[in-house]
Amino acid sequence: EAQVTQNPRYLITVTGKKLTVTCSQNMNHEYMSWYRQDPGLGLRQIYYSMNVEVTDKGDVPEGYKVSRKEKRNFPLILESPSPNQTSLYFCASSPGPSRTDTQYFGPGTRLTVL
Amino acid sequence: KNEVEQSPQNLTAQEGEFITINCSYSVGISALHWLQQHPGGGIVSLFMLSSGKKKHGRLIATINIQEKHSSLHITASHPRDSAVYICAVYNTDKLIFGTGTRLQVFP
Repeated sequence: EAQVTQNPRYLITVTGKKLTVTCSQNMNHEYMSWYRQDPGLGLRQIYYSMNVEVTDKGDVPEGYKVSRKEKRNFPLILESPSPNQTSLYFCASSPGPSRTDTQYFGPGTRLTVL
Repeated sequence: KNEVEQSPQNLTAQEGEFITINCSYSVGISALHWLQQHPGGGIVSLFMLSSGKKKHGRLIATINIQEKHSSLHITASHPRDSAVYICAVYNTDKLIFGTGTRLQVFP
C-alpha cells in the first residue's frame, strides 16, 4: 500500500531532550516536506526537500533540523525541544520535483514538550 | 491579513444540503490545493487546481485566477463529509495554507 509513515504518533518529552521524528514514504517520491499545525494558525511549512541531499527552509525552521540521505526517509530533528514546539506535525511527499504535484500526508505526530 | 483566507470558519448543515466553502488569496500562485482533515487528524488531498474546474464524486472545485478565488462545493452532503477543509496555495517555492473551514453535517 502506498503510504507515508511517521513515528512516533504521540510523544511527550521534556525541554532540552533531543528527539527525532521519522518519516518514510514507499512511493519513490522526490519531494518531501514537514509541517506543523497549531490552533488558529493552520499548517505551516518547516522544511522541505526536493531530492536526496537537497533541503530548504520553510516558514518556521527555527529549532528544527532535517536530513535527506535516502530518497524514502526525511527525519525531523529537534536538538533542544522547547514548549513552543508543542504541536501536531505532519510529513508529506509528492511524486516529482514540481511543487504543484498532489501531496500525500503522513498520519501526524502529536508532540508535547513539558 | 493572512495571505490565504477561508470562509466560513465554521459551517453546519443538514444531510442533503449543498455546501460551498470559499478560499481567497492575495499572492501569485502556480496552483491551489483543497485538503480534507478528518476528525482523527489525517489529511487527504482532494484536488489540485491551476485553472477551471474539477469534479470528483460529489465534490466540485473551481478556481478563478483573475479574481484570486476558489470554491469547494459538496453536493448532497452526508455526515461522513464532516471534517476540516483546508485551502492551500503554491507561491513561488512554498505552500501557504488557510486556517480551514470546519464542516459538520447532521443527519
